[in-house]
Amino acid sequence: EAQVTQNPRYLITVTGKKLTVTCSQNMNHEYMSWYRQDPGLGLRQIYYSMNVEVTDKGDVPEGYKVSRKEKRNFPLILESPSPNQTSLYFCASSFGAGTNTEAFFGQGTRLTVV
Amino acid sequence: GENVEQHPSTLSVQEGDSAVIKCTYSDSASNYFPWYKQELGKGPQLIIDIRSNVGEKKDQRIAVTLNKTAKHFSLHITETQPEDSAVYFCAARGYSTLTFGKGTMLLVSP
Repeated sequence: EAQVTQNPRYLITVTGKKLTVTCSQNMNHEYMSWYRQDPGLGLRQIYYSMNVEVTDKGDVPEGYKVSRKEKRNFPLILESPSPNQTSLYFCASSFGAGTNTEAFFGQGTRLTVV
Repeated sequence: GENVEQHPSTLSVQEGDSAVIKCTYSDSASNYFPWYKQELGKGPQLIIDIRSNVGEKKDQRIAVTLNKTAKHFSLHITETQPEDSAVYFCAARGYSTLTFGKGTMLLVSP
């Protein structure tokens, strides 16, 4: 089954404790991205990757890191989480960044930083 | 960068009525406009999309219209059903990023 898998689904952590949210896709997609979803703000892009070893900032990259060492994986790293990073996070993938490229989303990771 | 405005933020209709959600975008270079439906506890899922060289597209009860001159596009759902209740997002894609509107919560009452 074609899918984007995120782990964990739920995470509660303390301020400053490094964490990683994993994302993996099995569709051989080149383009992957991370979004955060907050009430009243919709989906905002954090980082994206157009291919292996190619990453770039989205609209809200502060406090986040990503890496793309393999085509299928695109982990999101919070080196020193803060309470304002409490949010619902989605990973997405698509064949490319051009036209007619449906983005497939994972199930989401609900992160709480206390 | 691209800016996408979406209205209304909430929409309540009776079963069988039509629902319309409208979006505007700012970047004239954007050329792909998808609509996503997000059900509770799930990730967004594509329901329909339209490219800049097309003015209208229909898929059963769902249709999308695009006016490139005015930079706005709309989602139309006819004969709404309770299972249409969800949050709907419009989006616009330029060269490398997909920018979303803030979402519309659609509530369909039986």
